[in-house]
Formats: sequence, structure tokens, C-alpha cells
Amino acid sequence: QVQLVESGGGVVQPGRSLRLSCAVSGFTFRTSGMQWARQAPGKGLEWVAVIWSDGSEKYYADSVKGRFTISRDNSKNTLYLEINSLRAEDTAVYYCGRFLGGVWYFDLWGRGTLVTVSS
Amino acid sequence: QTVVTQEPSFSVSPGGTVTLTCGLSTGSVSTAYYPSWYQQTPGQAPRTLIYSTNLRSSGVPDRFSGSILGNKAALTITGAQADDESDYYCVLYMGSGIWVFGGGTKLTVL
Repeated sequence: QVQLVESGGGVVQPGRSLRLSCAVSGFTFRTSGMQWARQAPGKGLEWVAVIWSDGSEKYYADSVKGRFTISRDNSKNTLYLEINSLRAEDTAVYYCGRFLGGVWYFDLWGRGTLVTVSS
Repeated sequence: QTVVTQEPSFSVSPGGTVTLTCGLSTGSVSTAYYPSWYQQTPGQAPRTLIYSTNLRSSGVPDRFSGSILGNKAALTITGAQADDESDYYCVLYMGSGIWVFGGGTKLTVL
């Protein structure tokens, strides 16, 4: 069955870096566009970044541009999100998901991984 | 900066009908923004309900429907049930690989 499993979250000090992973199974990852969204505690969902199936295009929300990097390894069926210079406001549950081009929506979601930025 | 607006909260009686809306600070929402809707209960991942304005995702009951009402996207729940009590988010595709979530609507069924 379809599975998207995020990992790599935890408690991190401000200013440090972190790489989140999203392991995918049950659908053809190499032909799927993928995205990351996040949700701060008690807040709404926020779209973060997207990457095309072949990695040729990447786009970011203005709020994370310059500090976040989305990438993928199609040989490992894995999506990544690298976060640099972590700030308290990056504390959130990070969800990975698939987007469908042409209809431009997110059809599959993982269960999320919690990142807590704290000294 | 583009802001997608939703009602912060809404209440509906069991069996009743409710329409949640999704607006745009810079103008009108149209089908060109491919509005989609997601349901989320606390501690859970989002669940996709509606995409491309009015298409239901697989397994979503037909009491959930999407439309454009005036200058906003809308999600209508007909015959609300207790387990519809959730947060509902709309998302608009702005083009060029950019999406924006609305702030979400907390729906209470009572």
C-alpha cells in the first residue's frame, strides 16, 4: 500500500542544521512531484517547498527561501528537506506529500515528523 | 503578499448544511487557482477532500462538494455528521510552482 514516512525530526538548537527524509513506497516515486508542508503547534498548515519528479524544478515559500533546500534521490525513493540556520519559528510538524501536476493539488500525505528548535 | 482567507470557525448542527469559503486578498478566486480542500483532525495528517474546485478525492463521500461562489471557492458539507468536526484548509495554486494555504476553518458539529 501507499506509504510516505517522514523521519529526521527531533530537538535541535537554534542555528544548527537538520535534514528531514521522506521514504516512499506503493507508488512510482520517480514520476511523482513531491512537496513539503509544515504546521507549527496550534497553527495552520503552511506550504514549504516542491520539487518536480526529475528534480529539474524546485520552488519555495518566501518564508523559507534561502534556508531550506528540497531534494530527492529517485534511486532510493526518498525525498529530503534540508533546513539551515534553524530558528524557533521553524518548530513544527513537517509533512511530505505528493502533488499532481495539471490539477495542482496534494493527493498523498505522510504522517509528519516533529522538529523542535530549542536551546 | 498573497493571503488566502477562510472563516476561523464555523458551527453546524448534525444533519445540517454548511458552506466554508476561501477568498484571496488580491482579488477573486477562480478555477484557474485549482482550489483544493483538506480535512485535518488534531494530531493527524491532512486528508484530501476536493481538488480542481469540485472534484472529489477517492473515497470522499458525496456530501462533500466544492464550487465557486461569487468571488470565492467554497466547500459545502450536506448532512453534517459528528465526525466531520475537524479543521478544514483550502489551498490555491498561484502558478509557477507556488501554493498558498488558507488559515483554516475549525468546524464544530453540535
